[in-house]
Amino acid sequence: SQELEQSPQSLIVQEGKNLTINCTSSKTLYGLYWYKQKYGEGLIFLMMLQKGGEEKSHEKITAKLDEKKQQSSLHITASQPSHAGIYLCGADALWDSWGKLQFGAGTQVVVTP
Amino acid sequence: DSGVTQTPKHLITATGQRVTLRCSPRSGDLSVYWYQQSLDQGLQFLIQYYNGEERAKGNILERFSAQQFPDLHSELNLSSLELGDSALYFCASSDGGGKGYTFGSGTRLTVV
Repeated sequence: SQELEQSPQSLIVQEGKNLTINCTSSKTLYGLYWYKQKYGEGLIFLMMLQKGGEEKSHEKITAKLDEKKQQSSLHITASQPSHAGIYLCGADALWDSWGKLQFGAGTQVVVTP
Repeated sequence: DSGVTQTPKHLITATGQRVTLRCSPRSGDLSVYWYQQSLDQGLQFLIQYYNGEERAKGNILERFSAQQFPDLHSELNLSSLELGDSALYFCASSDGGGKGYTFGSGTRLTVV
């Protein structure tokens, strides 16, 4: 099965600073999803990337997909307290079975004043 | 509201007992997925149903079973519960084409 490795495992960033989270796959990425989760709560969909080189932005969050590197990055500009939480990347495991998401372990983001 | 409804939100039960978690998918979605999230295992895929049929199985224990009904809602049955089954259980739905997954808010199961 596919493995998704997220880095860093956790990070602390000062409010107003930028941050980047990486998600690397052991297999070819057919679809890469980013979700945000507040501890103990549900998953909030952020973005979906499907094509190599694709880049999407929403407010201060930008995600890119490097198909050749089998990697995606999530970049937050000028972080705010509302950006705190756990960020999860998920990939379509189409080679394994029909369209199910497998997830990385998550990156915990803490935003300090 | 994501459109995926999970009930109950919280459940506390004793070891050895059996519980049923319910999920109503987003309108129009034919696929339902169940995930378990525990502190030490992260978000683990359990099982997928598409239009009433089982499509994929992940790390689902034999004590666990699921089904999807004609109205497309799904139930996850957990039996002979152990302390280690305490976790957040999420349901997600999609249109079946792998083009987007919507998650419910989860059911927090505590086994005491």
